[in-house]
Amino acid sequence: DADVTQTPRNRITKTGKRIMLECSQTKGHDRMYWYRQDPGLGLRLIYYSFDVKDINKGEISDGYSVSRQAQAKFSLSLESAIPNQTALYFCATSDKRQGASGANVLTFGAGSRLTVL
Amino acid sequence: AQSVTQPDIHITVSEGASLELRCNYSYGATPYLFWYVQSPGQGLQLLLKYFSGDTLVQGIKGFEAEFKRSQSSFNLRKPSVHWSDAAEYFCAVGTYSGGGADGLTFGKGTHLIIQP
Repeated sequence: DADVTQTPRNRITKTGKRIMLECSQTKGHDRMYWYRQDPGLGLRLIYYSFDVKDINKGEISDGYSVSRQAQAKFSLSLESAIPNQTALYFCATSDKRQGASGANVLTFGAGSRLTVL
Repeated sequence: AQSVTQPDIHITVSEGASLELRCNYSYGATPYLFWYVQSPGQGLQLLLKYFSGDTLVQGIKGFEAEFKRSQSSFNLRKPSVHWSDAAEYFCAVGTYSGGGADGLTFGKGTHLIIQP
């Protein structure tokens, strides 16, 4: 099994629908992140979480919300999806126990491709 | 705020030729620097990282990168590319704000095409 698992891998939905992307990890890392990838724009940080009670907005948090249900689970929600949220979404983890350098080494999931019609 | 620039959107290289992918960063302190590779339909895999010390770092798959503070650069190199190196390559800079890592800032990526 993968260290960082994202579900669903692919999802097609309609404008206005609520969507949840889920991420679970078996690495025991304390930090989790959600990134969005768009062609030509690279990866942009949506939200990040240092632990269950510490959630922070990233560069492009508008239109998104997150929930850290447990140390191993971090979900991303789109309350009312719109077409410009069509993208590839990545969950990632890192581990502060290895210090600042280790905290910056991210392990990525395989991605969730979301299409909003 | 930190930023990363990858000047080349696409690069085409013949199989067996050498490769250099450029990366420039902007950050006020000593950065943590990374190169990730994304093969088609896959997630991102860490190629190599620089935190401190020797400015020439070795990574997986025969890649290396050199940190040049004076040029704010962290270019990725490989002496001889293989067809399997065709992928998207991302340079990233990490920061440490005292409270911990705030996530990486990525460049927009360079798409590497390998010609037979």
